[in-house]
Amino acid sequence: EDQVTQSPEALRLQEGESSSLNCSYTVSGLRGLFWYRQDPGKGPEFLFTLYSAGEEKEKERLKATLTKKESFLHITAPKPEDSATYLCAVQASGGSYIPTFGRGTSLIVHP
Amino acid sequence: GAVVSQHPSRVICKSGTSVKIECRSLDFQATTMFWYRQFPKQSLMLMATSNEGSKATYEQGVEKDKFLINHASLTLSTLTVTSAHPEDSSFYICSAEDQGRRSSYEQYFGPGTRLTVT
Repeated sequence: EDQVTQSPEALRLQEGESSSLNCSYTVSGLRGLFWYRQDPGKGPEFLFTLYSAGEEKEKERLKATLTKKESFLHITAPKPEDSATYLCAVQASGGSYIPTFGRGTSLIVHP
Repeated sequence: GAVVSQHPSRVICKSGTSVKIECRSLDFQATTMFWYRQFPKQSLMLMATSNEGSKATYEQGVEKDKFLINHASLTLSTLTVTSAHPEDSSFYICSAEDQGRRSSYEQYFGPGTRLTVT
């Protein structure tokens, strides 16, 4: 059974204080690992897809990396508008392709 | 590109009535759409997979007679909550995979529908 564990559950940062969110996963063959951002009362917004270990992707202050067991979402010099819940999901190769989501990390960035 | 809309964004209904939620892919075609339910401060719970032109596949524990799904076209799926009760109050979100980008695999989510049953 595919599993995704995100840590920490909640993270409070001061503006400009860089940090990383973790997504540990177990899957029988990785088709893709996805990061989403979700604001309160809204649907998740797609950020990145990573396909193989060693891959990295960047968007503004966010950088996602991938190993064979985990992914990190690095946030550099965060701003208050980066406050949101960040969701990680994995999709296994073969089978139904239905993604398995983690519980998310709630990030609050204080000005 | 890859925009998914939902309608309505909010709905309040009385117990015992039925509510229909629409999910549309605006700029791409989607053979498959997904319906999720989300409780406060919890992650997404997959309810069912909606397949164009065929019956939906429901996850274990989801009542198919209560949550009716119809995928009428490559851009529209609907979720009807029948005989709604207060415990059905929740945030319902749909998603779709862009068939034109089969090499990328990510799903695109709608903005969600907040259902409140009184």
